[in-house]
Amino acid sequence: DVKVTQSSRYLVKRTGEKVFLECVQDMDHENMFWYRQDPGLGLRLIYFSYDVKMKEKGDIPEGYSVSREKKERFSLILESASTNQTSMYLCASSLRPETKEKLFFGSGTQLSVL
Amino acid sequence: DQQVKQNSPSLSVQEGRISILNCDYTNSMFDYFLWYKKYPAEGPTFLISISSIKDKNEDGRFTVFLNKSAKHLSLHIVPSQPGDSAVYFCAAISYDKVIFGPGTSLSVIP
Repeated sequence: DVKVTQSSRYLVKRTGEKVFLECVQDMDHENMFWYRQDPGLGLRLIYFSYDVKMKEKGDIPEGYSVSREKKERFSLILESASTNQTSMYLCASSLRPETKEKLFFGSGTQLSVL
Repeated sequence: DQQVKQNSPSLSVQEGRISILNCDYTNSMFDYFLWYKKYPAEGPTFLISISSIKDKNEDGRFTVFLNKSAKHLSLHIVPSQPGDSAVYFCAAISYDKVIFGPGTSLSVIP
């Protein structure tokens, strides 16, 4: 089974802090994604990556950046956390660009910014 | 403006009855549709999909129907079981984007 692991289940940070959310997948998937889930809004795509050192902006990239130095690891960075970034963050991966529909998700990180 | 809509935030159904979850979309370029299921404290998991060239896809107790002219799809669960209680997300794909709806929380009452 594919496993997508997010490093933290819950995080509490202060406004202005730099926040790192880590995600690792163990099935050699090429594609990795970061979503945030908010009530009534569904899952919104922040950033995605189809290859190492490659990144593309999703629908809501403002205030975020990403890093993919290794194929299995995709990090989401909040350069200066703000209260409106309080959310559930979900990492996902899929095998190849043409299989983007078969996303495998991690369990999520609930981030609270105070 | 949401391109994928799930107008019912929640739904309650008796065990053994049919659950029908609805989804509407606005972009006619969407060519593939999916349903994901999410339990609390877990990530969403893929449930069933349908290509725009089909109008029905079945997998066990789950059937997805697509009405392209109405830009509407629905997920039928028959018979519903308590373990089906979860949030269900409809999603649509066009070219390189997966767009998710806001989700419907299904409660199956024993």
